[in-house]
Amino acid sequence: EADIYQTPRYLVIGTGKKITLECSQTMGHDKMYWYQQDPGMELHLIHYSYGVNSTEKGDLSSESTVSRIRTEHFPLTLESARPSHTSQYLCASSELTRGDTQYFGPGTRLTVL
Amino acid sequence: AQSVTQLDSQVPVFEEAPVELRCNYSSSVSVYLFWYVQYPNQGLQLLLKYLSGSTLVKGINSFEAEFNKSQTSFHLRKPSVHISDTAEYFCAVSEAQGGSEKLVFGKGTKLTVNP
Repeated sequence: EADIYQTPRYLVIGTGKKITLECSQTMGHDKMYWYQQDPGMELHLIHYSYGVNSTEKGDLSSESTVSRIRTEHFPLTLESARPSHTSQYLCASSELTRGDTQYFGPGTRLTVL
Repeated sequence: AQSVTQLDSQVPVFEEAPVELRCNYSSSVSVYLFWYVQYPNQGLQLLLKYLSGSTLVKGINSFEAEFNKSQTSFHLRKPSVHISDTAEYFCAVSEAQGGSEKLVFGKGTKLTVNP
């Protein structure tokens, strides 16, 4: 069974706050991803990483940043949250081989007031 | 660039009825195709995927999908659904070659199974 964890599961914060969404996986996967999911819309890739010290921006422009200091950990940070950041954020991981299954965490539902 | 169209945003069915969820894609190169399921308040879970070989792919929970290259489709089917199949289903595509390995998702189809 895939083991990928996200905390917190739900977060309600005020505008202007700095937040970090945590994502950890125990499968030793090199690739990790952050997606943004809104109701009735496609999942949009906002960041990904091929391994330690590798981070890339995805297709959807995002004001968030990520870091990859350890293989198992891929946190996402918003320096100053705004209501437009309200969304569900999904973390995923996979092996490096093209076509490999992506394993998803349960998501963090963020509401910015 | 690839794209995915899921033709139905919502599909209501009765328990034990068959169901088909439709997915069409566009791509200029050969593709890998995926179906994921998302249960309420959970992340996505892989149902099945097509990489190569037989065009009929069997997945978990008795789901299957058929890759049709000429029609650029990858429809998901189940012969008899259960209440527990109520969830959102996402079709996704990635390029089998070339520079982009990214997974491109459709907008999802909400399957509701009624008693």
